Amino acid sequence: EVHLVQSGAEVKRPGSTVKISCKISGYTFPDYYMHWVQQAPGKGLEWMGQLDPESGEIKYGERFQGRVTITADTSTDTAYMELSSLTSEDTAMYYCSGGFHHWGQGTLVTVSS
Amino acid sequence: AIQLTQSPSSLSASVGDRVTIPCRATQGIGHSLAWYQQRPGKPPKLLIYDASTLENGVPSRFSGSGSGTDFTLTISSLQPEDFATYYCQQFNTYPLTFGGGTKVEIK
Repeated sequence: EVHLVQSGAEVKRPGSTVKISCKISGYTFPDYYMHWVQQAPGKGLEWMGQLDPESGEIKYGERFQGRVTITADTSTDTAYMELSSLTSEDTAMYYCSGGFHHWGQGTLVTVSS
Repeated sequence: AIQLTQSPSSLSASVGDRVTIPCRATQGIGHSLAWYQQRPGKPPKLLIYDASTLENGVPSRFSGSGSGTDFTLTISSLQPEDFATYYCQQFNTYPLTFGGGTKVEIK
């Protein structure tokens, strides 16, 4: 059975950085691109970026370009998403997803002074 | 970036109703479209990809159609567990984009 387990909720100060992890099990890491998706409270879904685990190629969404870094540790089948220069507009649920077929449970990030 | 429009943003329907949810792209995307269902407090769930291919384990009352710029998700007979928000997504061109969502509510 496939599982994507994300790290726990975070509370961050404006201007700081958050790093979320996503550990996969039940499939081989290179099988799917790893995507990250943001969902602000009461709002829709926004694609943040993706990592191709085989080639290492990364693509980022326009709104997050320059602030987001997606990485992976293939030895532990864990992906990471780091978002910097946080503002209150980054308060949201963040999801990792394997090829959009499999999803993590989400990580709530609250940005507040 | 390609924009996806889902209108209406919400609709009311009854159990047993046939429901159609449209999605329109600002430029042609072939068949590179997916549909997701999201219940409150849960991650999205993939229903349909490549415009009309049913994801494993998804009930056959869900179907997708369309190509180019106009797409439709159809629920043939609405069940109680289908009351949720539905999103379309294009994966033809980067950046990948989602529609704004259509919430299906109980009439």
